[in-house]
Amino acid sequence: GAGVSQSPSNKVTEKGKDVELRCDPISGHTALYWYRQSLGQGLEFLIYFQGNSAPDKSGLPSDRFSAERTGGSVSTLTIQRTQQEDSAVYLCASSITLISGRRQSTDTQYFGPGTRLTVL
Amino acid sequence: AQSVTQPDIHITVSEGASLELRCNYSYGATPYLFWYVQSPGQGLQLLLKYFSGDTLVQGIKGFEAEFKRSQSSFNLRKPSVHWSDAAEYFCAVGGPSSGGSYIPTFGRGTSLIVHP
Repeated sequence: GAGVSQSPSNKVTEKGKDVELRCDPISGHTALYWYRQSLGQGLEFLIYFQGNSAPDKSGLPSDRFSAERTGGSVSTLTIQRTQQEDSAVYLCASSITLISGRRQSTDTQYFGPGTRLTVL
Repeated sequence: AQSVTQPDIHITVSEGASLELRCNYSYGATPYLFWYVQSPGQGLQLLLKYFSGDTLVQGIKGFEAEFKRSQSSFNLRKPSVHWSDAAEYFCAVGGPSSGGSYIPTFGRGTSLIVHP
């Protein structure tokens, strides 16, 4: 597959349950991002992985949220003890990172179709 | 800190009419600027981007955007809108960082409604 894939496409869970959302980035993309998109809202940054560096977790809304990226490829976003306010579409994106000396920036982000999470 | 403002939450145009979606940004240096489109139930797709050079950027689907440094703007335009252009449009800003991680900032989006 050429694009970013996410699974499941839809997830309905009960309040208090844990959920895992998966993202398969484009092969060779070193940067991976998780965003949350609530109804009528823009993209809320959650976490960023760059190669083997420690992830930037500054966007995670609480300690119930965590993510890992195994082998520099697939990533899993885990939400523990889900709450109704966690209901949203969770988007994953990957990109190439452009590096010039000590400066880095991202090129185009390629987004997956998202996982729609509904917490009842 | 970098930020993006899309002042219009909704825009309604008639099919065939011209379109301009506004985007203002705040960034401490020369920014990288992006416009993405999100169709219903889909992920975001890049329309166009500006890194450097010509300030008028051409994108896919007949869209263009102009970077105006003096106005801190990167407005998206299309001369004639098609019904299939109805979607959510997001402007994003970012750029080179000196060390550390880099994370683009997105605006809240503008919903485009196209009337026949």
